[in-house]
Amino acid sequence: SQTIHQWPATLVQPVGSPLSLECTVEGTSNPNLYWYRQAAGRGLQLLFYSVGIGQISSEVPQNLSASRPQDRQFILSSKKLLLSDSGFYLCAWMALNTEAFFGQGTRLTVV
Amino acid sequence: GQQVMQIPQYQHVQEGEDFTTYCNSSTTLSNIQWYKQRPGGHPVFLIQLVKSGEVKKQKRLTFQFGEAKKNSSLHITATQTTDVGTYFCRPNFGNEKLTFGTGTRLTIIP
Repeated sequence: SQTIHQWPATLVQPVGSPLSLECTVEGTSNPNLYWYRQAAGRGLQLLFYSVGIGQISSEVPQNLSASRPQDRQFILSSKKLLLSDSGFYLCAWMALNTEAFFGQGTRLTVV
Repeated sequence: GQQVMQIPQYQHVQEGEDFTTYCNSSTTLSNIQWYKQRPGGHPVFLIQLVKSGEVKKQKRLTFQFGEAKKNSSLHITATQTTDVGTYFCRPNFGNEKLTFGTGTRLTIIP
């Protein structure tokens, strides 16, 4: 069966520090992969998505970047975090025309 | 552009009352999915509607897809405290983007 792993669950980082969040999928190949940010009590803001290795589509230009170095690995990064980068980050995968599966999420607090 | 509006943004109901959230698209959809996110959790898939006018039921939840495949609703009969959370629709415009409605946050007053 397919599973999605996202870590860490919580993270507290100082302003100006780098960020790397990793998401991996097991049990499927060539999934579409997605990164979202969710502010407290708000909706799911699509940040990046990828339909294949090395293919990244950016939805919201900001202080973040994404990479897909392997088929089932999706990484969200920042060189220098801002206070406004705080939020709940969710990774998801989906095969074509099927349901989406989300990771457990990372709660990031930038201090 | 391809946009979807989900209303209401918030709904507070007494336990036992009904609840409905609506998703309205400006364009025809390939299908629509519904997800539930419990407080502190991640969204979990509930159902997918594909056919025009389709109605599906899951216990106290009823999902409808409009005849024109532009709108959808989720109705919960006799809400319980376990229904608390945010409900998102996910309109499928036929591309690989995975975007969601703004969500309806349901709180239950015991």
